[in-house]
Amino acid sequence: GDSVTQMEGPVTLSEEAFLTINCTYTATGYPSLFWYVQYPGEGLQLLLKATKADDKGSNKGFEATYRKETTSFHLEKGSVQVSDSAVYFCALSDYNNDMRFGAGTRLTVKP
Amino acid sequence: NAGVTQTPKFRVLKTGQSMTLLCAQDMNHEYMYWYRQDPGMGLRLIHYSVGEGTTAKGEVPDGYNVSRLKKQNFLLGLESAAPSQTSVYFCASTVNWGGNYEQYFGPGTRLTVT
Repeated sequence: GDSVTQMEGPVTLSEEAFLTINCTYTATGYPSLFWYVQYPGEGLQLLLKATKADDKGSNKGFEATYRKETTSFHLEKGSVQVSDSAVYFCALSDYNNDMRFGAGTRLTVKP
Repeated sequence: NAGVTQTPKFRVLKTGQSMTLLCAQDMNHEYMYWYRQDPGMGLRLIHYSVGEGTTAKGEVPDGYNVSRLKKQNFLLGLESAAPSQTSVYFCASTVNWGGNYEQYFGPGTRLTVT
């Protein structure tokens, strides 16, 4: 079945460092891809999404590009802030709204 | 507009006890989901519903039951709690069929079974 694999972390960075969190997927069809963020004690909230190949999702300085040829959707940010500390989940959703999540990557940004 | 709400926020049960978790959404969404979140395993789907009066099994349904009597509510029941059901439970909803739509999550219920 469909699945998502993301780097497990934890990831610790200094403020203003460059962030990459890798995500690859396996799917039989043409899924939509998502990045969700979970702040401590809260539910998941959508960070960005892309619905077809070569689409780039972006929000709050974060970006990810849907790469069908490499089945990847890596999350990047040029300069992280302490407030970006959270757990990040890569996910895919097929046409049945069956959403599959990666294991999550914990990011800690130090001042 | 409260979005997705869950009650209770925390609960401690003894093995064999039963309880019901309530999820409510005020966005008129058709699809609703129950997930559990365990360390290092992401979110796993327990049950879901594609509309009022319908339910279906997800990836890890054993030990749980659900009901969707009203469109805005989705209940998750544990008939006889086990320590393996210690987890954080999240409810989510989405607007429509098609896979392109984000899911909206509640704040979670932290359940401990002793």
